[in-house]
Amino acid sequence: VQLVESGGGLVQPGRSMRLSCAASGFTFRNYGMHWVRQAPGKGLEWVAVIWSDGNKKYGSNEYYTDSVTGRFTISRDNSKNTLFLQMTSLRAEDTAIYYCARDLDHWELDSWGQGTLVTVSS
Amino acid sequence: QSALTQPDSVSGSPGQSITISCTGTARDVGGYNFVSWHQQHPGEAPKLIIYDVSDRPSGVSNRFSGSKSGNTASLTISGLQAEDEAEYYCSSYTSRSTLYVFGTGTTVTVL
Repeated sequence: VQLVESGGGLVQPGRSMRLSCAASGFTFRNYGMHWVRQAPGKGLEWVAVIWSDGNKKYGSNEYYTDSVTGRFTISRDNSKNTLFLQMTSLRAEDTAIYYCARDLDHWELDSWGQGTLVTVSS
Repeated sequence: QSALTQPDSVSGSPGQSITISCTGTARDVGGYNFVSWHQQHPGEAPKLIIYDVSDRPSGVSNRFSGSKSGNTASLTISGLQAEDEAEYYCSSYTSRSTLYVFGTGTTVTVL
């Protein structure tokens, strides 16, 4: 299993950014996928999940933590084995390393990428 | 979001056993068996070491074990080794709107 994030960098407050996570070594379409972030020197914070098409556990395919609901959108392209996180209206408090992670079955984040740093600053 | 509560730090000598607690509520740790533990070394990505309260992924040392009682989950590291020095995070599904929550993190130091 390999997960490689990209797309991070410096962005001004209020602007948008899209992160990608390229997956390999497993059948991507069969697994739910998460985004988790970690602000500099801080703990882990769950951001969002997108389930596999055949495993909509709770009635919807995507869920978000409260602080990003309405601003972030998680999506996936199973034909390209890629996970995305579209981030809009970015705030300073969104500054963090963003990790993608695979869901083993139900809320077990069993494989993680190396992360991509997003810095929101003017 | 309300993070699960962990001690800031735990330490032990090589060969000893240590236990890290993770305290939540009936809406997360106490209500579901979707409790995991992750190990994170400085500058690295987290690594899953325990899932579903007490299951170990293949390749993870059996020196790591997990349990739960009521609203508190615990991670025990037996036969402490220098390589176990790291940050440890618990996590759980929650019935709150945020759906998934991590603990505050515990720094393990091997004396």
